[in-house]
Amino acid sequence: DIQMTQSPSSLSASVGDRVTVTCRTSQTIDNYLSWYQKKPGKAPKLLIFGISNLQTGVPSRFSGSGSGTDFTLSISSLQPEDFGTYYCQQSYSLPWTFGQGTKVEIK
Amino acid sequence: QVQLQESGPGLVKPSETLSLTCTVSGVSITSDDYFWGWVRQPPGKGLEWIATFYYSGDTHYNPSLKSRLSISADTSKNHLSLILTSVTAADTAVYYCARLDTAALLRMDVWGQGTTVTVSS
Repeated sequence: DIQMTQSPSSLSASVGDRVTVTCRTSQTIDNYLSWYQKKPGKAPKLLIFGISNLQTGVPSRFSGSGSGTDFTLSISSLQPEDFGTYYCQQSYSLPWTFGQGTKVEIK
Repeated sequence: QVQLQESGPGLVKPSETLSLTCTVSGVSITSDDYFWGWVRQPPGKGLEWIATFYYSGDTHYNPSLKSRLSISADTSKNHLSLILTSVTAADTAVYYCARLDTAALLRMDVWGQGTTVTVSS
């Protein structure tokens, strides 16, 4: 199985801050890397697919980058509604796997 | 507008069989543009991919659940079913169904709202 390791596990930042979440995979996954936002009581929401493609309707302050085994989700200017847990996920090789999540809190 | 709606019993006793349904509207589950998947989240834990179904009948299961798991589709009702046997407390979770786009790197772009399953006697 491909292991997905996210860092940090949690972070607290102020509105307007730039936030970065990292995802490292145990092997290369081409560009089969997506990012999801999860809020309590809500379904996961797709933010980024194919490493850097912004899903329709997602604010442009979200961006993704990376290659090989290291990937990054960035929020250029954190907004109050961006609280939640962020997960990376690979669909390159079965079983598809998620990172353990990064919880983002607003100071 | 594509919508997915999960439904299930809510409460299941240990060792019994869990049966969930995902009703899809706005798109046919026989479309060759999409896979259909199940993901769950136990309380306080992260997301776990469970299984995926393609209209041709091609299915994929998480190896950790494969011996207890079965997914299928009823094309006349446009819905998917998940059956998990011999459940334990570890199967307590919110279960989501999701659409996977074959033309976009299998992104899970549409999700149901989830159905909560509690395994308890």
